Amino acid sequence: KAGVTQTPRYLIKTRGQQVTLSCSPISGHRSVSWYQQTPGQGLQFLFEYFSETQRNKGNFPGRFSGRQFSNSRSEMNVSTLELGDSALYLCASSSPDRAEAFFGQGTRLTVV
Amino acid sequence: QKEVEQDPGPLSVPEGAIVSLNCTYSNSAFQYFMWYRQYSRKGPELLMYTYSSGNKEDGRFTAQVDKSSKYISLFIRDSQPSDSATYLCAMPRGSTLGRLYFGRGTQLTVWP
Repeated sequence: KAGVTQTPRYLIKTRGQQVTLSCSPISGHRSVSWYQQTPGQGLQFLFEYFSETQRNKGNFPGRFSGRQFSNSRSEMNVSTLELGDSALYLCASSSPDRAEAFFGQGTRLTVV
Repeated sequence: QKEVEQDPGPLSVPEGAIVSLNCTYSNSAFQYFMWYRQYSRKGPELLMYTYSSGNKEDGRFTAQVDKSSKYISLFIRDSQPSDSATYLCAMPRGSTLGRLYFGRGTQLTVWP
């Protein structure tokens, strides 16, 4: 069974640009969540999508947005990038049937 | 006060030692308790999860929950250099895993 797949693995962007990250969940999982991980703040919740609807949202500015497609694949977008957006962005998928949430390998975003 | 507190360490032990990793939490609504292991430049990997109070054992790993004290622990017996990683505790609020509250992670090094 394939795990959670995130693309791309690494990204370098310039301040002011925008970026789109992609996440393919485990087959059958309808919940996809996004987290930002930095050395200073640890893992912080961005948002969760379930059946194409945003179900939960963390305390991030509106520059951070996401969506989910009918096949459960999800994308997150960050507009007007700032240096502080440099982080590892992690996607997790889960199923309501089991108490397990699985993470992808993450996308390491560097803003210069 | 953060919902989940975890000593970031670092923790350095010799091979074969028993390791104790701990988290405290403030919200009594937490019912599931999860431990993740994260190697450098990788996504978190689910190690174990427990529901409510009590112990759960899986090989060299034992997870313990004390809901009365709002305290959870992960014990690693016969620690190996391959156990060197960051260990994160995580808890969902409610019945879904779409939003996990994470500790900051404890960085563990097991030296041969």
